[in-house]
Amino acid sequence: GENVEQHPSTLSVQEGDSAVIKCTYSDSASNYFPWYKQELGKGPQLIIDIRSNVGEKKDQRIAVTLNKTAKHFSLHITETQPEDSAVYFCAASNYGGSQGNLIFGKGTKLSVKP
Amino acid sequence: DTGVSQDPRHKITKRGQNVTFRCDPISEHNRLYWYRQTLGQGPEFLTYFQNEAQLEKSRLLSDRFSAERPKGSFSTLEIQRTEQGDSAMYLCASSLGPFNSPLHFGNGTRLTVT
Repeated sequence: GENVEQHPSTLSVQEGDSAVIKCTYSDSASNYFPWYKQELGKGPQLIIDIRSNVGEKKDQRIAVTLNKTAKHFSLHITETQPEDSAVYFCAASNYGGSQGNLIFGKGTKLSVKP
Repeated sequence: DTGVSQDPRHKITKRGQNVTFRCDPISEHNRLYWYRQTLGQGPEFLTYFQNEAQLEKSRLLSDRFSAERPKGSFSTLEIQRTEQGDSAMYLCASSLGPFNSPLHFGNGTRLTVT
């Protein structure tokens, strides 16, 4: 089955700096890669996603890149703000295949210092 | 769009007792998912429904766990004879199927088994 590894587990940056979180996946059939932000006491909130037919996607300060050959994808946050502090999860799925569920990484705790 | 609603938010129970959680998905979403999240980990898939049909169950879903989605609307997750290892956050998510549709999570039910 699919396995998703996420690095780093913790990340501390100064406000205004960029943050990068990286994930690798094992199942070459995976074709959908969302990123979720989870704040304390809340459920994960989708912030951006990318499908396997696209190499990069951007939404304001957030971007995701996908390298299908290497089976890794990354989240880039520019001009970080204190409110970006949260736990971020990557996930992978083979929608349309036998599995209709997401396999999550273990998360990255991002701290943005003012 | 009122979001995915879960009830209760917190549940404390003694080992051996039965508990039941409820999830109300986003209206018109035909897919409903249950995930479990333990401290410091990403969410782990338990099961999902398309309308009222339960289409997939994880090996994590032991025979003490049962989920239903009568009439394809709200869903319940019951845990019988709870064990301390069942302590976790139980997350519900919904999506508009069939495939390639983002999952929207609720804020979860935190279960503590004493």
